[in-house]
Amino acid sequence: AQSVTQLGSHVSVSEGALVLLRCNYSSSVPPYLFWYVQYPNQGLQLLLKYTSAATLVKGINGFEAEFKKSETSFHLTKPSAHMSDAAEYFCAVSNSGGYQKVTFGTGTKLQVIP
Amino acid sequence: EAQVTQNPRYLITVTGKKLTVTCSQNMNHEYMSWYRQDPGLGLRQIYYSMNVEVTDKGDVPEGYKVSRKEKRNFPLILESPSPNQTSLYFCASSPYTAGGGYTFGSGTRLTVV
Repeated sequence: AQSVTQLGSHVSVSEGALVLLRCNYSSSVPPYLFWYVQYPNQGLQLLLKYTSAATLVKGINGFEAEFKKSETSFHLTKPSAHMSDAAEYFCAVSNSGGYQKVTFGTGTKLQVIP
Repeated sequence: EAQVTQNPRYLITVTGKKLTVTCSQNMNHEYMSWYRQDPGLGLRQIYYSMNVEVTDKGDVPEGYKVSRKEKRNFPLILESPSPNQTSLYFCASSPYTAGGGYTFGSGTRLTVV
């Protein structure tokens, strides 16, 4: 079985401050890990993914995430928040086998304060 | 443009009146899936399909049906909708390789009264 826990359903940061969204996973096999972003009234968009290559993964819009096996974590960071980053962010885990059973976290809403 | 197209975007219906939400993708993806999104619960998988004529239940399949007669289309059918199926629904597709990541549709907001 696999699962994802996102710590904090709401996170607020000031514009220009560091963004840190936390994700911990549980998986019985080597995982694939994803971050998706959802803007209001839109579908989810893939931000970045980890698939067992480099542990530090860079994505779109200046976001990156680091896979830490010892901590079973895949936290999302951005050095400087922009107003346009306000959205809901979902962490997801998939197994590394042939069939993609993808399990999503419950999401973290990011508010950026001017 | 590579995309997943869902229709309709918004739908209000009455209890018991059969409805279909359509989903179509133009990326030749083998894998397609339906999710519902509810506040505080994240996304939960309803049904998925690994290829034409191959479908299986996800985590919350009760009250839903799907079919996959063509590779590009994966409609979601609610034969007798109930108010607890009021939700935001997403269709998604991906290549049949683990780690590909999903492409999502824009969503269908369904209200059952």
